[in-house]
Amino acid sequence: QLQLQESGPGLVKPSETLSLTCTVSGGSISSSSSYWGWIRQPPGKGLEWIGSIYYSGSTSDNPSLKSRVTMSVDTSKNQFSLKLRSVTAADTAVYYCARCVHYDSTFDPWGQGTLVTVSS
Amino acid sequence: DIQMTQSPSSLSASVGDRVTITCRASQSISSYLNWYQQKPGKAPKLLIYAASTLQSGVPSRFSGSGSGTDFTLTITSLQPEDFATYYCQQRYRSPYTFGQGTKLEIK
Repeated sequence: QLQLQESGPGLVKPSETLSLTCTVSGGSISSSSSYWGWIRQPPGKGLEWIGSIYYSGSTSDNPSLKSRVTMSVDTSKNQFSLKLRSVTAADTAVYYCARCVHYDSTFDPWGQGTLVTVSS
Repeated sequence: DIQMTQSPSSLSASVGDRVTITCRASQSISSYLNWYQQKPGKAPKLLIYAASTLQSGVPSRFSGSGSGTDFTLTITSLQPEDFATYYCQQRYRSPYTFGQGTKLEIK
């Protein structure tokens, strides 16, 4: 059974870079030929797609984040990662990683999520 | 971006009731519509994809319909575990966008 787990700092200072890693277990990140995605949810609000990455490194992302996003894959560790630069309080959210099915756009399953707070 | 609007934003119902949640897209998205269920403090769970196809393991009391701009999620015979927030999501065109959510509460 495929499982995903996010990890990274829970507190990031404004203007700095948010860095998260998603570790995949129960399956290989490269053998499933899947895209892998990031979605976030500000406290008490709805869901926002951040971007998706193929195991080979090809990416698609949300233009609303104004090119602040970098995603990468480490197949040797069965992990993929997210970096979000120049964060502000508006980036405070629970960040989820997920496997993408149907190319890069349907998310199943999801990790449990990790809360990242942007504050000095 | 394609805007997704759900109605109602919240809904009270009783165990055993039938409920319907509506999702409207700002332009035609064919049948590229997913539904997710989210319980408090948990990650969303995929319920339905392609507007009407039930994800494996999802109870048959859940059903989806629609195409173009108007979609519905129906839950027949509500169970206690169904009280949650439901989100629609379009995958027709990037950036993929979600509705604002419909919170289903116990009456």
